[in-house]
Amino acid sequence: EVQLVESGGGLVQPGGSLRVSCAASGFSFNSYWMSWVRQAPGEGLEWVANIKPDGSDTYYVDSVKGRFTISRDNAENSLYLQMNSLRADDTAVYYCATSASHSWSYWGQGTLVTVSS
Amino acid sequence: QSALTQPPSASASPGQSVTISCTGTSSDIGSYNTVSWYQQHPGKAPKLMIYEVTKRPSGVPDRFSGSKSGNMASLTVSGLQAEDEADYYCSSYAASVTYVFGTGTKVTVL
Repeated sequence: EVQLVESGGGLVQPGGSLRVSCAASGFSFNSYWMSWVRQAPGEGLEWVANIKPDGSDTYYVDSVKGRFTISRDNAENSLYLQMNSLRADDTAVYYCATSASHSWSYWGQGTLVTVSS
Repeated sequence: QSALTQPPSASASPGQSVTISCTGTSSDIGSYNTVSWYQQHPGKAPKLMIYEVTKRPSGVPDRFSGSKSGNMASLTVSGLQAEDEADYYCSSYAASVTYVFGTGTKVTVL
């Protein structure tokens, strides 16, 4: 059974940093593109970032470029999102998801990141 | 990277059909057959319902179908059931390995 479990969310001040993690199991993690997708409270979904199976290439939505870094550890079956220079509009539930055929088949339960003073 | 446009709400009675539109541009929906649709119940993670415009993942009922014409895609739910009441989001590839979601549609079963 595919499982994706996010962790590391919490309250952070504007301008601060936070790293969220996603532990994967039940599938060949090192064969899949992985993504982070976020959802602000009461709002819609927003794609944030993608990473290739071997971690060699990464892609971001314009609003997080230069501030967020997606990475992975295939030995640990883990995905990460390092978030720096956080702003209030980064407040959201952050989901990790498997990416294939330009869609997201499996999703974690999400971790809430709140940026507030 | 502007969001795809969906109607805020749609509704129908049990057993009837509801169709949700998703309007993009020639840079996203119009250029790629990569539209996908997601169902999200309150407090839950999204669930993939349709990918590559018309394909259904294993386990998704055939009451759910997708289509595309030009810059617009559609999701039709036939034989509407109470458990279909949820938010629905479309998504499309938008070039250079970026993606865009729709604004979301709340489907109500009357």
